[in-house]
Amino acid sequence: DGGITQSPKYLFRKEGQNVTLSCEQNLNHDAMYWYRQDPGQGLRLIYYSQIVNDFQKGDIAEGYSVSREKKESFPLTVTSAQKNPTAFYLCASSISARETQYFGPGTRLLVL
Amino acid sequence: QQQVKQSPQSLIVQKGGIPIINCAYENTAFDYFPWYQQFPGKGPALLIAIRPDVSEKKEGRFTISFNKSAKQFSLHIMDSQPGDSATYFCAASIRAGNMLTFGGGTRLMVKP
Repeated sequence: DGGITQSPKYLFRKEGQNVTLSCEQNLNHDAMYWYRQDPGQGLRLIYYSQIVNDFQKGDIAEGYSVSREKKESFPLTVTSAQKNPTAFYLCASSISARETQYFGPGTRLLVL
Repeated sequence: QQQVKQSPQSLIVQKGGIPIINCAYENTAFDYFPWYQQFPGKGPALLIAIRPDVSEKKEGRFTISFNKSAKQFSLHIMDSQPGDSATYFCAASIRAGNMLTFGGGTRLMVKP
């Protein structure tokens, strides 16, 4: 059963805490992406990776970090430096960086 | 140059109506234009896509119209149904570039 999985579905963060959102794909896609979506807003790119062990900052990378040690995994860490982390986080992947992106179900991050 | 401008931000139609969502771009290097549909709390899903060598593409009740000279493309939903109520995003990618650029989204409501 191919696809993109994100976990957890809901995540709560305390002040000053780093949290990590998981994204896994078994589509054998080279490129992976993280987006942030605020209520009623569009998609804003946080980070993207076109190949294993390489990633680039998107439009709103401050306060976030990523790693791409395996082709199928692209975890996103929301650090304590991100002062307004409450949002819906979407992971996506594509065969190559300019082709159709397929999205996961998303993780909703809330601050306690 | 990288922007894709989408309008309207929200749209309400009666069942059976034909909502039209418009997108405009500046960069003539864009050559791939997908549309995504997103239901509340879910990740966006690819709906239909077009390349600039055709002026129109239909898939079921969904039609993309493309006007290369005007640098505009639009989504039409024929015989709209309440189940079509969702947020729709247009996007574009650059021939020699490396990722999709998304429009701001249109929230569509189809009333019974």
